[in-house]
Amino acid sequence: DVKVTQSSRYLVKRTGEKVFLECVQDMDHENMFWYRQDPGLGLRLIYFSYDVKMKEKGDIPEGYSVSREKKERFSLILESASTNQTSMYLCASSLRIGRGYTFGSGTRLTVV
Amino acid sequence: EDKVVQSPLSLVVHEGDTVTLNCSYEVTNFRSLLWYKQEKKAPTFLFMLTSSGIEKKSGRLSSILDKKELFSILNITATQTGDSAIYLCASALGGGGADGLTFGKGTHLIIQP
Repeated sequence: DVKVTQSSRYLVKRTGEKVFLECVQDMDHENMFWYRQDPGLGLRLIYFSYDVKMKEKGDIPEGYSVSREKKERFSLILESASTNQTSMYLCASSLRIGRGYTFGSGTRLTVV
Repeated sequence: EDKVVQSPLSLVVHEGDTVTLNCSYEVTNFRSLLWYKQEKKAPTFLFMLTSSGIEKKSGRLSSILDKKELFSILNITATQTGDSAIYLCASALGGGGADGLTFGKGTHLIIQP
């Protein structure tokens, strides 16, 4: 079974801090994604990557950046954390577009 | 703008009931429709549907896609308390690149004993 691992389950950061969320998958998947999930808004795509060093903006990229230096690792970066970025962040990977995605277990980020 | 709409947003039924969850979509370059179950942290994959009219089954769960009317349903028969979860529907796009999934807001299903 493919495994997607997010490095932290819970994080508490201060406003203005630079925050790194790490995601690693172990099945050589080409595509990786970062979503955030908020009550009443569902899952929204922040960024995705379909190859090393390639990245594309999703629906809500403002305030975020990403890094994919190695195929197995996709990092989400909050350049200057704000309280409205308090959310559950989910990383996912897939072998091909349109196939079932595998999600990590999520990182609950609180910005105070 | 691509859109996936699920209904109802929440549903409370008794154990043993049958439920039908709905998902309609308006997307360009539609490729497939996926159903996920989210109990705690992360969604787990249930079904992927690409062809109209072909039912997919897994135990008490089944799903079907209607590409003409642009909707899908997820059926759960003989519900159990363990079926309580948020059920997410998502459309996957074709074309170049990964593109991600467009999710609906989910249906929160509660099964009462």
